Amino acid sequence: KNEVEQSPQNLTAQEGEFITINCSYSVGISALHWLQQHPGGGIVSLFMLSSGKKKHGRLIATINIQEKHSSLHITASHPRDSAVYICAGGTGTASKLTFGTGTRLQVTL
Amino acid sequence: DAGVTQSPTHLIKTRGQQVTLRCSPISGHKSVSWYQQVLGQGPQFIFQYYEKEERGRGNFPDRFSARQFPNYSSELNVNALLLGDSALYLCASSLAWPNYGYTFGSGTRLTVV
Repeated sequence: KNEVEQSPQNLTAQEGEFITINCSYSVGISALHWLQQHPGGGIVSLFMLSSGKKKHGRLIATINIQEKHSSLHITASHPRDSAVYICAGGTGTASKLTFGTGTRLQVTL
Repeated sequence: DAGVTQSPTHLIKTRGQQVTLRCSPISGHKSVSWYQQVLGQGPQFIFQYYEKEERGRGNFPDRFSARQFPNYSSELNVNALLLGDSALYLCASSLAWPNYGYTFGSGTRLTVV
């Protein structure tokens, strides 16, 4: 069983829609990362969270430590937001990232 | 500022050969991690180095090895290549260790034939 679970696996939205991607993680994960991967591979780090909420442009990430749950929101979605969004957990002193399976987002006109 | 630089970007090798992948972290970053991403799957942790010492190792066979140099760049070596080693190999650097933000390189796509 993966320590990091994401949903949904696939998401299609129309331009302008509000999008939410969810991530649940197991005990021992002390920092939660949201990453974006475009076709071809390159990964961009969007947020690192250990508590609360962070915002960057149209992206908002929240984390609930008690419930071990994090969400990534995209407001006013645009076709250029189409990518795979991955949540990953950082575990204690090892600091390795354990990746979720990713959510493939397609935003259409 | 240069980001995380990986070389080569693409590589084709034959089964049984050996390969060396290289990673230059962001200037000032002292930690480098390596991940393997097989097509259609999420990345899997291979190694982390900080201040030239191995700080973490994933569940990979001994054919995989790595090192970090005094300038904090890193090499990942894979011996006796198998078809299943075909993947995107990602390097990530961070300022320190543990639990700092990561910056990823664009990866090296290795194809083993």
